[in-house]
Amino acid sequence: NAGVMQNPRHLVRRRGQEARLRCSPMKGHSHVYWYRQLPEEGLKFMVYLQKENIIDESGMPKERFSAEFPKEGPSILRIQQVVRGDSAAYFCASSDYREETEAFFGQGTRLTVV
Amino acid sequence: AQTVTQSQPEMSVQEAETVTLSCTYDTSENNYYLFWYKQPPSRQMILVIRQEAYKQQNATENRFSVNFQKAAKSFSLKISDSQLGDTAMYFCAFMIQGGSEKLVFGKGTKLTVNP
Repeated sequence: NAGVMQNPRHLVRRRGQEARLRCSPMKGHSHVYWYRQLPEEGLKFMVYLQKENIIDESGMPKERFSAEFPKEGPSILRIQQVVRGDSAAYFCASSDYREETEAFFGQGTRLTVV
Repeated sequence: AQTVTQSQPEMSVQEAETVTLSCTYDTSENNYYLFWYKQPPSRQMILVIRQEAYKQQNATENRFSVNFQKAAKSFSLKISDSQLGDTAMYFCAFMIQGGSEKLVFGKGTKLTVNP
């Protein structure tokens, strides 16, 4: 049973470009969470999604950031017109809410904006 | 809003000795979970131990145990017989039970185990 898969592991973008981060949850998990980790900081919640639904986006910046979890395929975190301040590690976690099991984390995508 | 505070940015311990990492939190909720996560240099977030707030008994997992003081809103992690592989960042985290299951993390404690 593969764990949570995130790709790419490392992503470099120039200012103004778009960044697309992908997350495939663990098999059988229908809930996905995205977190951002700035240097020397803990993880900060961004968004919680179920298939085709955004459940809680209280941690998402109002502009340039969007997330989706389609019926088929991975969850995508999209950052438009990236700026230097977007440089961070972005983590995805998945869980099976019905069993209130722990959230399993991927290894993260480190985004560097140059 | 919930907050989690880890007051020790860095700690070190000698191999085979015991170390305690501190964590305090603030919430008005009565039902919640508390967690300790380990983040080694690989960046992988690994769950170390979990505590349900309604349980009075402190959780233990092999060499890892917690001291959960609900009234004081304190949740410290004790690592016994420290090993070199315990070197990592340790994050304390909080989650409301029955909510959206989002985790609120502290800023972390960098633990170094010295040979």
